[in-house]
Amino acid sequence: KQEVTQIPAALSVPEGENLVLNCSFTDSAIYNLQWFRQDPGKGLTSLLLIQSSQREQTSGRLNASLDKSSGRSTLYIAASQPGDSATYLCALSSNSGYALNFGKGTSLLVTP
Amino acid sequence: AAGVIQSPRHLIKEKRETATLKCYPIPRHDTVYWYQQGPGQDPQFLISFYEKMQSDKGSIPDRFSAQQFSDYHSELNMSSLELGDSALYFCASSLVWGTSSYNEQFFGPGTRLTVL
Repeated sequence: KQEVTQIPAALSVPEGENLVLNCSFTDSAIYNLQWFRQDPGKGLTSLLLIQSSQREQTSGRLNASLDKSSGRSTLYIAASQPGDSATYLCALSSNSGYALNFGKGTSLLVTP
Repeated sequence: AAGVIQSPRHLIKEKRETATLKCYPIPRHDTVYWYQQGPGQDPQFLISFYEKMQSDKGSIPDRFSAQQFSDYHSELNMSSLELGDSALYFCASSLVWGTSSYNEQFFGPGTRLTVL
């Protein structure tokens, strides 16, 4: 069974810092990888999707990378803002089924 | 743009009661997924439907069932509710067979179920 690990579990940074969230997985036979944002008690907002054949995707201040051979993905957030405070979840779907397998998330707090 | 719609948003039930959650996917999406997120937990996949047929099954209890209707909306039926069923239930939809969608899943706002 695919195991997805996110490090760190929690992170607090001052506004303006660049930061990296890490996601590792045990099975490289993935179909795609999605990064989500979740505010407390709310739904999941899709931030970026990386296909298994891609190395990275960018959207605004966000950049996600994928290295299947090492079983790792990173989410880079540039010039962090207090509005970025949320839990960030990494999720993967496999070639044998499209259901997402989630990590436990990184809780990010950006302080003014 | 249209998003995934879930109803109700909040539901309070007693133990051993039944509950029905509804999901309306994004128009033209061909696949619907149900996930359960317990307090402080990551979402866990329950079940999915592709073109109204069950396509995949995860950790869904036997007390739960689901179906997708001709208009593509889906319902999750939960019977003999237990305290441990209290959670956020998410529906997601995606377009599996599209030219550039790559099965990106879009989530609804969730239904918060509280079992007393």
